[in-house]
Amino acid sequence: NAGVTQTPKFQVLKTGQSMTLQCAQDMNHEYMSWYRQDPGMGLRLIHYSVGAGITDQGEVPNGYNVSRSTTEDFPLRLLSAAPSQTSVYFCASSSDMDRSYEQYFGPGTRLTVT
Amino acid sequence: DQQVKQNSPSLSVQEGRISILNCDYTNSMFDYFLWYKKYPAEGPTFLISISSIKDKNEDGRFTVFLNKSAKHLSLHIVPSQPGDSAVYFCAASRRNTNAGKSTFGDGTTLTVKP
Repeated sequence: NAGVTQTPKFQVLKTGQSMTLQCAQDMNHEYMSWYRQDPGMGLRLIHYSVGAGITDQGEVPNGYNVSRSTTEDFPLRLLSAAPSQTSVYFCASSSDMDRSYEQYFGPGTRLTVT
Repeated sequence: DQQVKQNSPSLSVQEGRISILNCDYTNSMFDYFLWYKKYPAEGPTFLISISSIKDKNEDGRFTVFLNKSAKHLSLHIVPSQPGDSAVYFCAASRRNTNAGKSTFGDGTTLTVKP
């Protein structure tokens, strides 16, 4: 199992550009989430999904869109990048079948917006 | 209002001694608590969890204690090893509405000196 994979690992954008951060998992987990981590801070939830076709907003959703057409994939779209979106982005997946309720995280995408 | 707080940004201990990391929460609806460990340039990985119906959970060198009345939990690492040096995140969840998401603290950077 590859677990949770994210691409790209690094990205530099100019203000106003758009891009999509990719996330995939091969564990057949029903839940997937996107978090951002700013320096010295914890992970803040951007968007999450409870299954294919179902998404909802987290704590900091503004400026981001998501969709979930398959169980495996959960891309995060930045509509018009702003310097405030400079952060490290983590995708995570989990399942109710896992009694520990742990989330499995990808390695992260480090995004810089200039 | 931050619902999960880790008031110590950093902790330094000697190898072989005990490390105690603390976490406080404000939302009484949280009923499941997790600790994650994060190395630089990697995603967080699950360490240990505890349900609100318990006050202690042990896994090898790691023990988590929960004091519901004080809304406080702590992670004990005994004995501490240099490989334990990492950022530790406390996370809280509501199992009935889990949907694969948690609220995270800002993290504590643990340094274990040889």
